[in-house]
Amino acid sequence: DTAVSQTPKYLVTQMGNDKSIKCEQNLGHDTMYWYKQDSKKFLKIMFSYNNKELIINETVPNRFSPKSPDKAHLNLHINSLELGDSAVYFCASSQDLVAGGEAQYFGPGTRLLVL
Amino acid sequence: LAKTTQPISMDSYEGQEVNITCSHNNIATNDYITWYQQFPSQGPRFIIQGYKTKVTNEVASLFIPADRKSSTLSLPRVSLSDTAVYYCLVGDPTTSGTYKYIFGTGTRLKVLA
Repeated sequence: DTAVSQTPKYLVTQMGNDKSIKCEQNLGHDTMYWYKQDSKKFLKIMFSYNNKELIINETVPNRFSPKSPDKAHLNLHINSLELGDSAVYFCASSQDLVAGGEAQYFGPGTRLLVL
Repeated sequence: LAKTTQPISMDSYEGQEVNITCSHNNIATNDYITWYQQFPSQGPRFIIQGYKTKVTNEVASLFIPADRKSSTLSLPRVSLSDTAVYYCLVGDPTTSGTYKYIFGTGTRLKVLA
């Protein structure tokens, strides 16, 4: 069983389109995250949800809107896609959002290419 | 903000012990030190976590001196499959009182035959 899964694995789309990436974790964790890894391999946190509540919202354009229908799911919707959105998007989860002490489990990533 | 500094890359040979050191001069009292491994085209994978002194698991050891301003990940007898990027992270308190991890550039370890 995959602990953290993401769909789709690959996403190729045109500028201006709207797309969604889905994430599910079966670990029973309370906290989920979205990260973006750019072409230079820098991994940056975008959002964090704890018990379906938004906890961390980094300086991300409001074209990106996360949604957590329940603790096991955290989806990412992106409006009006731009070339600079091309990256690998990773979903992750952890047991809780505790002071630096929680290991995060990452999904396999979604490779987004905006043409 | 508690940031980390690591060597950009390291080369080693199969069977050797590899030590990767990370500096985190501004580590906060409640911060833990966590190391992740990332293979190409995969998400980061948790390796080991510690607060002080030494932690060992089936994969690696983590050495943390008393001042906690640095830490060293030790991989015993590396193999070709250990070629990956290794990230050192510390818990980072935000102004809202919640915590987030900051991934640095990581150390690209290449194991040679």
